[in-house]
Amino acid sequence: DVKVTQSSRYLVKRTGEKVFLECVQDMDHENMFWYRQDPGLGLRLIYFSYDVKMKEKGDIPEGYSVSREKKERFSLILESASTNQTSMYLCASSFGGARETQYFGPGTRLLVL
Amino acid sequence: AQSVTQLGSHVSVSEGALVLLRCNYSSSVPPYLFWYVQYPNQGLQLLLKYTSAATLVKGINGFEAEFKKSETSFHLTKPSAHMSDAAEYFCAVSFTGANSKLTFGKGITLSVRP
Repeated sequence: DVKVTQSSRYLVKRTGEKVFLECVQDMDHENMFWYRQDPGLGLRLIYFSYDVKMKEKGDIPEGYSVSREKKERFSLILESASTNQTSMYLCASSFGGARETQYFGPGTRLLVL
Repeated sequence: AQSVTQLGSHVSVSEGALVLLRCNYSSSVPPYLFWYVQYPNQGLQLLLKYTSAATLVKGINGFEAEFKKSETSFHLTKPSAHMSDAAEYFCAVSFTGANSKLTFGKGITLSVRP
């Protein structure tokens, strides 16, 4: 079975803190994705990566950055957390190609105070 | 640009009743269409997907969906709802050249009444 793990299920941070969310997949997938999920808005793509050290902006990249130094690991960084970044963050991975299934981690619920 | 519309945010059915969750898409190129389910406090998992083979697609847990190009729809159905089907359901679209990027609908919460 494909396994996508996220470093934390719940996280509480203060405004202005630097926040790291980590995601690891064990299926040798080329593609990795970071989404945020908010009620009534569905999932919105923040960043994705289709290869090591490669990244592309998604629909809402402002206030976020990413790092992919190894194929299995994709990190989301909030350089200076703000209250409007309180959300559920979901990581996913897939093989390359538009018809491929994305496999999701359990999510990290982030609260910024 | 590709988009997905899921009308309504909440559907409630009785146990044993038909489940119908609607999804309409907009795409200028042939789409690939997905339904994902999210159970409480979990990530998303794939229910089924259409990748241009058979237009009637069967998925897990008794769900199926039919791709109708003329109606630009990909509605999800299940003949008989079970209490365990209570979850949030997302329709998503991709297309060749999108590099596996998915565009999601806003999601529909399904409640099942005893």
